Amino acid sequence: EVQLVESGGGLVQPGRSLKLSCAASGFTFSDYNMAWVRQAPKKGLEWVATISYDGSSTYYRDSVKGRFTISRDNAKSTLYLQMDSLRSEDTATYYCASQYWGQGVMVTVSS
Amino acid sequence: DVVLTQTPVSLSVTLGDQASISCRSSQSLEYSDGYTYLEWYLQKPGQSPQLLIYGVSNRFSGVPDRFIGSGSGTDFTLKISRVEPEDLGVYYCFQATHDPNTFGAGTKLELK
Repeated sequence: EVQLVESGGGLVQPGRSLKLSCAASGFTFSDYNMAWVRQAPKKGLEWVATISYDGSSTYYRDSVKGRFTISRDNAKSTLYLQMDSLRSEDTATYYCASQYWGQGVMVTVSS
Repeated sequence: DVVLTQTPVSLSVTLGDQASISCRSSQSLEYSDGYTYLEWYLQKPGQSPQLLIYGVSNRFSGVPDRFIGSGSGTDFTLKISRVEPEDLGVYYCFQATHDPNTFGAGTKLELK
């Protein structure tokens, strides 16, 4: 059974950092590009970043470029999102996604 | 950025009816390799999104054949024949042809 389990979310003050993790199982993680997608409360889906299957290429939406870093450890079947200089508009549920999606992890940026 | 315009915003149906959702792109979604990276997702109430269709018309594993994706270039459609209770929720189209990737705003499918 395919599972993507996100962790690392929580309440953080503006300007601080947070690192999300996504542990994958049930499929060959290293074969797939992976992405982070977020959803602000009561809003639609917003693509955040993608990393290629081997980690050699990364892509970001403009609003997070220079602040967020997507990475992966294929030996551990784990995807990461390092989020620095967080802003209130980054408040959302963050999903780890390939063909399957995790259950999401909430990130709240507030003082 | 590529804008995906979904219509209608909401759709009220009777169980067993057909439903049709349009997704129009501000640019062609055919990539230089000839592939069109257009996908459809369903987010059921209180759940994570799930992949229904990839590459315009390919059903993902386990997706019933009442879900039919079609289209090309800038104009795409998801048809659901014989709507069932488990089909209710918000449908999103998504493009991964252009950077940044983008989602449509969503279409809510609900019961009349």
